[in-house]
Amino acid sequence: GAVVSQHPSRVICKSGTSVKIECRSLDFQATTMFWYRQFPKQSLMLMATSNEGSKATYEQGVEKDKFLINHASLTLSTLTVTSAHPEDSSFYICSARAFQLSSGNTIYFGEGSWLTVV
Amino acid sequence: RKEVEQDPGPFNVPEGATVAFNCTYSNSASQSFFWYRQDCRKEPKLLMSVYSSGNEDGRFTAQLNRASQYISLLIRDSKLSDSATYLCVVNRGGGYQKVTFGTGTKLQVIP
Repeated sequence: GAVVSQHPSRVICKSGTSVKIECRSLDFQATTMFWYRQFPKQSLMLMATSNEGSKATYEQGVEKDKFLINHASLTLSTLTVTSAHPEDSSFYICSARAFQLSSGNTIYFGEGSWLTVV
Repeated sequence: RKEVEQDPGPFNVPEGATVAFNCTYSNSASQSFFWYRQDCRKEPKLLMSVYSSGNEDGRFTAQLNRASQYISLLIRDSKLSDSATYLCVVNRGGGYQKVTFGTGTKLQVIP
């Protein structure tokens, strides 16, 4: 299947600093990527839909000024957590939709990034 | 009502048992459906798409009931390695192509 790579896999940062997470589609072009957050023992929560060349679409309750999303190319989307606080500590996962003849539109996930804010 | 609902479980079953999960969705315009598997502290991985006619992949069978708006996943001959959380995913389709995840059903296969 298609491959989505996410980096870094783990990051620890100080409260008040910003952290950037990258999401790359390695063998396909993705005009749309998705960013999710998952707290322990909870479900994936969609944060925003990242659109190549245009502004991201944020879900209700997600602060767009705090979670900056940039989708500058067809293979790269970035999520920047600005002025991070301990409550932002979470598992952040990106995904991208790939079309394959065998299965149609299928969503593939990056490996996820563990963010710990201390 | 949530867009996609699943019984969170956990389902504790002995090895070799057959177990079934259901997932209901509220938007009748939903176009495509998937089951994903998520292991603890890992990203979800696609298990199988769900087709209108139903589909089978080894020990796994997925079915879609559009009239009642639910999808199901049946696992036969459960293995210890099947222990994971199974996520139901519904794609609303259309221009926005919004994807919604269920909260997941946790399966624990016991020796």
